[in-house]
Amino acid sequence: KNQVEQSPQSLIILEGKNCTLQCNYTVSPFSNLRWYKQDTGRGPVSLTIMTFSENTKSNGRYTATLDADTKQSSLHITASQLSDSASYICVVSARNAGNMLTFGGGTRLMVKP
Amino acid sequence: GAGVSQSPSNKVTEKGKDVELRCDPISGHTALYWYRQSLGQGLEFLIYFQGNSAPDKSGLPSDRFSAERTGGSVSTLTIQRTQQEDSAVYLCASSSGGPHSPLHFGNGTRLTVT
Repeated sequence: KNQVEQSPQSLIILEGKNCTLQCNYTVSPFSNLRWYKQDTGRGPVSLTIMTFSENTKSNGRYTATLDADTKQSSLHITASQLSDSASYICVVSARNAGNMLTFGGGTRLMVKP
Repeated sequence: GAGVSQSPSNKVTEKGKDVELRCDPISGHTALYWYRQSLGQGLEFLIYFQGNSAPDKSGLPSDRFSAERTGGSVSTLTIQRTQQEDSAVYLCASSSGGPHSPLHFGNGTRLTVT
């Protein structure tokens, strides 16, 4: 069964600090891994998409890594800001008809001043 | 507008009533998805459209749920005889359909069944 597990479920950090969110998956056959940011009351917004051959991708202060051998990904946030407070969702796409997406449960990040 | 638009943004209905939720995808996007998100929970897949056809409707929770897409554009999700457990945020997303294309989400319709 395709699964995506994220940790931690929630995290509180102080403004300016760095943090790393984890994602483990068992989706097969693998097509790509995506990280989304979801602000409260809004739809998710894409941060990065990584294919099998990519092991790191950055989007501003967000850096995602992918280890396709161990089926793990991480999202590192540098110099956190209050606006980073949101849920971060890891999504893995399978290489099949319809490119089925499996969503993780998300990590809820709160950045405090 | 340039993004995915959903209407209404909020809907309160009485148990047993039917509701229709609307999604206007980004122009030219061939793929359209419906998801459901209960409070504090992850996204639950409902149905996927490629053009006007729905090759995957495996996530629809019961036969009270149906969806259609016309003209390869607007989609409506219909819930008949609503139940309290249907209360959730219903999110629509569209993409250009390529395997590595990002999904663009609307801000959802918050449905409350009283």
